Amino acid sequence: DADVTQTPRNRITKTGKRIMLECSQTKGHDRMYWYRQDPGLGLRLIYYSFDVKDINKGEISDGYSVSRQAQAKFSLSLESAIPNQTALYFCATSAGGDTDTQYFGPGTRLTVL
Amino acid sequence: GQQLNQSPQSMFIQEGEDVSMNCTSSSIFNTWLWYKQDPGEGPVLLIALYKAGELTSNGRLTAQFGITRKDSFLNISASIPSDVGIYFCAGQRLSNYQLIWGAGTKLIIKP
Repeated sequence: DADVTQTPRNRITKTGKRIMLECSQTKGHDRMYWYRQDPGLGLRLIYYSFDVKDINKGEISDGYSVSRQAQAKFSLSLESAIPNQTALYFCATSAGGDTDTQYFGPGTRLTVL
Repeated sequence: GQQLNQSPQSMFIQEGEDVSMNCTSSSIFNTWLWYKQDPGEGPVLLIALYKAGELTSNGRLTAQFGITRKDSFLNISASIPSDVGIYFCAGQRLSNYQLIWGAGTKLIIKP
């Protein structure tokens, strides 16, 4: 079974709709992240959380919100989706410490029409 | 936003050839990471580098942390079809733990 899972894997929605992407992990890591990937731009950090009570904005947080429901769960919401939020979204986790390797989920492909 | 300069953007090579790609930055990083992404999957860590000058191998892959701490390269020797994918570099600063990503190098092996 995958250590980091994301649901849904694919989603098509319309402009103005509220969307929630969910991430779960069984690695026991405290740190969780949400990234967005666009062609030719690599990955950009949206939000990150170092523990259940800690939420931080990343490079491109506008238009997004997150909720850390438990150590194992971190969800990303688009309150009112717009077409330029069409992208591939990745969740990642890490244990912290000096060698803070991030492990990624399989991604959610979101299309906003 | 911040981004590393990763080159080349794409590579078309013959099976068996060696591959080299690199990342540069105007600022210093404490850690350099190299990831590979296969279609439909998330990035998977290949090599992590933690000290300036460090040279680390993982099978046919070799990566180095530049002496200036502003660059890193990844070499793949004797490429095989399963090497196809997108390779990303990422730099990390201890000050905020965030990863800064390159735009990726897409590796394509000519039949």
